[in-house]
Amino acid sequence: DSGVTQTPKHLITATGQRVTLRCSPRSGDLSVYWYQQSLDQGLQFLIQYYNGEERAKGNILERFSAQQFPDLHSELNLSSLELGDSALYFCASRSGSTDTQYFGPGTRLTVL
Amino acid sequence: GQQLNQSPQSMFIQEGEDVSMNCTSSSIFNTWLWYKQDPGEGPVLLIALYKAGELTSNGRLTAQFGITRKDSFLNISASIPSDVGIYFCAGENPLNTGNQFYFGTGTSLTVIP
Repeated sequence: DSGVTQTPKHLITATGQRVTLRCSPRSGDLSVYWYQQSLDQGLQFLIQYYNGEERAKGNILERFSAQQFPDLHSELNLSSLELGDSALYFCASRSGSTDTQYFGPGTRLTVL
Repeated sequence: GQQLNQSPQSMFIQEGEDVSMNCTSSSIFNTWLWYKQDPGEGPVLLIALYKAGELTSNGRLTAQFGITRKDSFLNISASIPSDVGIYFCAGENPLNTGNQFYFGTGTSLTVIP
């Protein structure tokens, strides 16, 4: 158990819909990263937050947005969903003391 | 962006054999991480490296931070069936990548009993 939690574990929805994925970092970690992993693909970095502020942005679509709240949990919002958005979405929190990332168990999104 | 080349892309080995895989970067990194991912699960951190030349072990796993700081290696000794999975390297250098970790494309390991 990495200490990073993600909900829901699975999400099935239809094209055009909007969903919200939730992540809670490890206790004491201020930084949260979001990644997308499509079938048999590597990890694509989407966005990073540190203590509530956006710190780095990767290949995140305009239809996607994220935020980190004062209690440090983060949400990734995906809107106008397309079939190609079906993927595993991972959240990772960064340990400031060891400069390492710990991944959550992921949310599997299926868009029908 | 940063390019991380990970090789080999896949490996099929007999149980008990040793395994080697590596990652090379187009630029210098300050930190190298190695992860293992089982299907449908989140990547699990195996080893973290912070200094050029550093050699770190975690059980049957040994990883090294290359002297040039542009590469890293992971070795698995005496492989067992539960070693099956995808292994990813990741690197970071705040001076030129910000706080972003860049990931390799993964090495898929199959262990034949």
